[in-house]
Amino acid sequence: SQELEQSPQSLIVQEGKNLTINCTSSKTLYGLYWYKQKYGEGLIFLMMLQKGGEEKSHEKITAKLDEKKQQSSLHITASQPSHAGIYLCGADIGSSGYALNFGKGTSLLVTP
Amino acid sequence: EAGVTQFPSHSVIEKGQTVTLRCDPISGHDNLYWYRRVMGKEIKFLLHFVKESKQDESGMPNNRFLAERTGGTYSTLKVQPAELEDSGVYFCASSQDLSPGYSYEQYFGPGTRLTVT
Repeated sequence: SQELEQSPQSLIVQEGKNLTINCTSSKTLYGLYWYKQKYGEGLIFLMMLQKGGEEKSHEKITAKLDEKKQQSSLHITASQPSHAGIYLCGADIGSSGYALNFGKGTSLLVTP
Repeated sequence: EAGVTQFPSHSVIEKGQTVTLRCDPISGHDNLYWYRRVMGKEIKFLLHFVKESKQDESGMPNNRFLAERTGGTYSTLKVQPAELEDSGVYFCASSQDLSPGYSYEQYFGPGTRLTVT
């Protein structure tokens, strides 16, 4: 089955700093999803990437899918305490676009 | 528009008992998914409904788990009898109609935290 490796496992950054989270797949990604989970809450959809080289941005968060569609990165610019949480990458298990595999997540803490 | 809701938010039961989890998807979403995360592991897919039909139940761990979606609206996931290893957070998600070759975002509920003692 497809495995998603996220790095780093956890991250502590000072407010205002930039950071990057990576998600690497052992297989080609048909669709790559980024979610954020606040502690004790559900998953909040951030972005979905499908095409090689695709890049999307929302507010201060940018996600990119590489040309080979096996790696994605999530970049946060000028981090804020509200960015804290667990970031999860998920990917289509197959090309039909439904069931998702997830990485273990990256825990982000933003300090004042 | 209301999001995906799940009930209960927490459940603590003893080994051997039965528990039923409920999920109400976003109105109009034909696709409903169940996922589970056990302690220290990643979120794993359990099954996928399209309306009232089970499209894929390849992730269901064993026959102690029974999912239903009568009428194609809300869904229930029953665990009977519960075992210690069933403890974890059970998430439900829904998405709109799927077109071939195109993916749609799945909207997740807050999850039900199940503890089996």
